[in-house]
Parts: sequence; structure tokens; C-alpha cells
Amino acid sequence: AQSVTQLGSHVSVSEGALVLLRCNYSSSVPPYLFWYVQYPNQGLQLLLKYTSAATLVKGINGFEAEFKKSETSFHLTKPSAHMSDAAEYFCAVTQPFKAAGNKLTFGGGTRVLVKP
Amino acid sequence: EAGVTQFPSHSVIEKGQTVTLRCDPISGHDNLYWYRRVMGKEIKFLLHFVKESKQDESGMPNNRFLAERTGGTYSTLKVQPAELEDSGVYFCASSQDRQGNGYTFGSGTRLTVV
Repeated sequence: AQSVTQLGSHVSVSEGALVLLRCNYSSSVPPYLFWYVQYPNQGLQLLLKYTSAATLVKGINGFEAEFKKSETSFHLTKPSAHMSDAAEYFCAVTQPFKAAGNKLTFGGGTRVLVKP
Repeated sequence: EAGVTQFPSHSVIEKGQTVTLRCDPISGHDNLYWYRRVMGKEIKFLLHFVKESKQDESGMPNNRFLAERTGGTYSTLKVQPAELEDSGVYFCASSQDRQGNGYTFGSGTRLTVV
């Protein structure tokens, strides 16, 4: 079984400030973890993914996330928010190499508002 | 490389009517997934095709939903008859492998049942 919890359905940050989005997961096997972003009126775009290599993962648009097994966390950060970061962000988990085919389980999403 | 294409992008239908959503995956991607997000809830898995075969349909809500992938290319998801609670955004994704290395999502179909 697998599940994802994203703390905070809405986050407001000032332009130039740190963006921190929290994600905790549970998985019965070592997971693969993903962050997706959805801009208004668009589909889900992959930001970054952890697939058991380096625990610090760098993604697009200056985002990065760190896999911490002891904390079962995969928090997403960006040092300096830009207005274009306003979007909804989703954390997701899958259990690789499972016969069932690696369906994703998503968190509830965090909507980010960037204030000028 | 073309991405995952879904249409229509929006659909508004009356309760009791039938709607068919279509997904064209990336060429060569054997794995095709359907997900759904109803208002205020998480994105939930519906089903997974490997080529034309249903690998996992554990997320299908009830027998009003029918998914097909004839010939292992595009897929359709039919809702018949539609109910108010079926409203939401339906996403399709495709991937080349089954190890979870990467999924490409379509832009989704926003379905509104009135």
C-alpha cells in the first residue's frame, strides 16, 4: 500500500522568498517519488523525480527535492520564488517493479500563490 | 515528439447522457493510464492498459465507466449514463516502461455534468 500527504492545501509566498512544499509518504517497498506542477488551464508537468539514485534531486525551473527515508519525506524547495511559480503542485508515489504496473498515488495538491 | 493528447478539453453534458473521452498516447508507449480528479479531492487512479489489455482497473468507480484501447493505440473512456458526481478532470498518461521512471500526462478533459 502507498499513500501521500501534502501539508497545506494553499501556500502564499512573497516573490524572492523561499518556497517550501511538504510531502510525506508511506510505502511498503522502496518508492519512486515525483513532483508534478499544474499551471492554470494546463496538464500535469513533471518537475522532478526520485528513483533511488541521488537523494537530492534537481528539477526544472530551479526546484529541488530531498528524499529522506528516515522521515519518509520528499519536500520540494526553491530558493527564490518567481511570479511564474504560481500553480498547483502535486507529490506522487509509486512502487516500482510491482506487477500491478506502477500506478501513481497523489497527494491532495498544494496551490502556491506568489505575492509581488 | 508529440505529447499525450486528450479531447475534448471541456465537455458539459446533462445527467443521464453519455460522454466519451479520448486519449492519444505518445507513439510507442505501451502503457496508458487514466486518472481523475473530482472537485477538491486528490487525483485518483482509474485504470492501466498495457497495449490493448487492461492491466489494472481497480480504480474504476462503477460499471457506468467503460474504457477501451482497441489496437493498443488510442484509448476511450465512456461514461454512460453520466451522474453529477462524475464531474471532474480526467487525465490520461502514457509511459514507455513499467518501472515508474516516467509518465507523460495529457492536459486533461474537464467534464461537467449538470
